[in-house]
Amino acid sequence: DADVTQTPRNRITKTGKRIMLECSQTKGHDRMYWYRQDPGLGLQLIYYSFDVKDINKGEISDGYSVSRQAQAKFSLSLESAIPNQTALYFCATSDSPVGRELYNEQFFGPGTRLTVL
Amino acid sequence: GQNIDQPTEMTATEGAIVQINCTYQTSGFNGLFWYQQHAGEAPTFLSYNVLDGLEEKGRFSSFLSRSKGYSYLLLKELQMKDSASYLCAVSLTPPSGGSYIPTFGRGTSLIVHP
Repeated sequence: DADVTQTPRNRITKTGKRIMLECSQTKGHDRMYWYRQDPGLGLQLIYYSFDVKDINKGEISDGYSVSRQAQAKFSLSLESAIPNQTALYFCATSDSPVGRELYNEQFFGPGTRLTVL
Repeated sequence: GQNIDQPTEMTATEGAIVQINCTYQTSGFNGLFWYQQHAGEAPTFLSYNVLDGLEEKGRFSSFLSRSKGYSYLLLKELQMKDSASYLCAVSLTPPSGGSYIPTFGRGTSLIVHP
């Protein structure tokens, strides 16, 4: 079974619609992240959360919001989708072991391919 | 700044050696990761460097020079399955302090041909 899962895997929606992408993990990690990836570009950080009560904006948070419902769940919402939000979205987790705070290898979900028409 | 530069694309021959470079200009640097990403799939961890020097792991090695803001990923005995994108990511301390967050380069697409 996958440690980091994302639903849906593919979604086609229309401009102006609200959409939620969900991420769940069974790794027991405190840290969770949402990224988007566009062709020719790297992974751009949208939001990140270091625990249930902690939410932080990344480099491209405009037009997005998140909810950390539990340690294992981190959802990304597009309140009013627009075509330039068409992209591949990845959720990721990492650990923060005591004494190894510098080391935060990330584990990625399989991705959600979102198309906004 | 947080510029992370990698070549966009590289090609190499099966069985050969290839070196993928990554340079960064950033403050708050704490460490550097390399990830492999096959087309349409999730990135997977390859290596991590926090101190200067070479880290070897099988056919893959990664090098870091903190003073030069430079890293490379070395792939030996290339196989066709190594055709993928290779992402360089630096772990940074945010300007406001606090915990480290990763920033990714645009990735290098490696094409291995027979």
